[in-house]
Amino acid sequence: EVQLVESGGGLVQPGRSLKLSCAASGFTFSNYYMAWVRQAPKKGLEWVATISTSGSRTYYPDSVKGRFTISRDNAKSSLYLQMNSLKSEDTATYYCARVMAYYFDYWGQGVMVTVSS
Amino acid sequence: DIQMTQSPASLSASLEEIVTITCQASQDIGNWLAWYQQKPGKSPQLLIYGATSLADGVPSRFSGSRSGTQYSLKISRLQVEDPGIYYCLQGYSAPWTFGGGTKLELK
Repeated sequence: EVQLVESGGGLVQPGRSLKLSCAASGFTFSNYYMAWVRQAPKKGLEWVATISTSGSRTYYPDSVKGRFTISRDNAKSSLYLQMNSLKSEDTATYYCARVMAYYFDYWGQGVMVTVSS
Repeated sequence: DIQMTQSPASLSASLEEIVTITCQASQDIGNWLAWYQQKPGKSPQLLIYGATSLADGVPSRFSGSRSGTQYSLKISRLQVEDPGIYYCLQGYSAPWTFGGGTKLELK
């Protein structure tokens, strides 16, 4: 059974940093692109980052480019999201997701990040 | 960026009723479209991929179709477990973008 479990969320002040983790199990992690998707409170879904199987290629929307960094450790079947220079508009539930070509087939339960002073 | 305009934003339907939700892409995205269902407090669940292919374990009352750049999700006979928010996703080009969502409620 595919499982994705996020951790590392919490309350952080504007301008500070936070690192999210996602522990994957139930599949061969190194064979799949992985991604982060977020959802602001009572809002829709927004793609945040994607990483290739080896980690050599990463993709971001303009809203987080230069501030967020996605990475992975295939030996640990783990995905990460380093978030720097956080803004109030980054407040959201962050989901780890497995990428299947052009869509996300499995999602974690999500982790809440609140950016507030 | 490719815009995905989803409609309606909300709808209320009765049990056994046919429900249709649409997403209009701002440009050609081929069949690079997926549909998701999200229930309160839960993560999104994949329903349809490739515009028309049913994901594993999804009931056959769900179906997807395409007409040009308009994509539709149809629930053939609404069941009590179907209310939630439905989203489309285009994966044709980055940034991948979601529709704004359709909130489906039982009448």
